[in-house]
Amino acid sequence: KAGVTQTPRYLIKTRGQQVTLSCSPISGHRSVSWYQQTPGQGLQFLFEYFSETQRNKGNFPGRFSGRQFSNSRSEMNVSTLELGDSALYLCASSLGRVNEQFFGPGTRLTVL
Amino acid sequence: GQQVMQIPQYQHVQEGEDFTTYCNSSTTLSNIQWYKQRPGGHPVFLIQLVKSGEVKKQKRLTFQFGEAKKNSSLHITATQTTDVGTYFCAGLNTNAGKSTFGDGTTLTVKP
Repeated sequence: KAGVTQTPRYLIKTRGQQVTLSCSPISGHRSVSWYQQTPGQGLQFLFEYFSETQRNKGNFPGRFSGRQFSNSRSEMNVSTLELGDSALYLCASSLGRVNEQFFGPGTRLTVL
Repeated sequence: GQQVMQIPQYQHVQEGEDFTTYCNSSTTLSNIQWYKQRPGGHPVFLIQLVKSGEVKKQKRLTFQFGEAKKNSSLHITATQTTDVGTYFCAGLNTNAGKSTFGDGTTLTVKP
């Protein structure tokens, strides 16, 4: 069974631009969560989608948004990029809330 | 909101020494999961604990869930260089409807 895939793996943007990251979950997984990871900051929860509905949202500004499609694939968008948005963005899929999460390799975003 | 605290933040050990990381939640948890992230990698699921007082072992790793279901620990016996990485706990609070990750404990092992 294929794992969680994320594209692109690396991205360089400049301040003010916007970016879209993509996540394809494991086949059969309907829950997709997004996390931001920066050195020394652990895993900061962004949002969780289940069957195309956002079930939970973390404490991030409205510049961060996401969506999930009918095939469970998910995208997250960051508008008006700031230097502080430079981070590793991880996507994780699971069968449901009480199940283990399978993480993708992440997208490393650098904002210049 | 729910908070999950993990200590210590960093731990440096000599190969062969033991290692323990502790996870404490501000609320009662439905379950707790442990993940390991190798340097340059992504978190990988290790184990899930559900029952009060539960203890599970995986070779040299021992996981415990507190009686009150608000704390947990991961203990590694006789560390090896392959144990290096960051260990995260994630506590599920069904009332909050989500899992919250601790900030992780980064383990380095000196050969």
